[in-house]
Amino acid sequence: GENVEQHPSTLSVQEGDSAVIKCTYSDSASNYFPWYKQELGKRPQLIIDIRSNVGEKKDQRIAVTLNKTAKHFSLHITETQPEDSAVYFCAASKDTDKLIFGTGTRLQVFP
Amino acid sequence: DAGITQSPRHKVTETGTPVTLRCHQTENHRYMYWYRQDPGHGLRLIHYSYGVKDTDKGEVSDGYSVSRSKTEDFLLTLESATSSQTSVYFCAISRTGSEKLFFGSGTQLSVL
Repeated sequence: GENVEQHPSTLSVQEGDSAVIKCTYSDSASNYFPWYKQELGKRPQLIIDIRSNVGEKKDQRIAVTLNKTAKHFSLHITETQPEDSAVYFCAASKDTDKLIFGTGTRLQVFP
Repeated sequence: DAGITQSPRHKVTETGTPVTLRCHQTENHRYMYWYRQDPGHGLRLIHYSYGVKDTDKGEVSDGYSVSRSKTEDFLLTLESATSSQTSVYFCAISRTGSEKLFFGSGTQLSVL
């Protein structure tokens, strides 16, 4: 089955700096890659997703890139703000199959 | 929040007792999922459902069973709870499968 690895497990940045979180997946047939953000004590929420026929997608300060050959994808957050502090999860799935998550990255943005 | 409700929100039980968690949705979504969240392990899929009476196993299904007798309800049962099942359990729903999951608020389960 699919296996998703996520790095780093924790990330600390200064406000205004960029943050990058990386994930690798094992199943070359996976074609959907979402990112979820979970604030402390809250439920995970979808922030951006990408399909395998697209190499990059942006939404304001957030972008996701996908390298199908290397089977890895990354989340980029620019101009970080304290409210970006949260746990971020990457995930992968094949068509409508089950969604498998990475182990999460705790991002701390210091003012 | 509108659309999905998990009950109970908190539960403390003893080892060996049966426990049932309920997920109720009002969105009429076809897909429903149960995940558990543990430090260092992220979100791990327990079981999921792709329609009434249609369920399948996830990554960590041992010790858990599920039932979905109607579209709006997805039940997760721990037949005989163990301390290793102490966790936060999240239910999620989706209209189209693995895309755009919407999560419930979670159930904190402690097995003593």
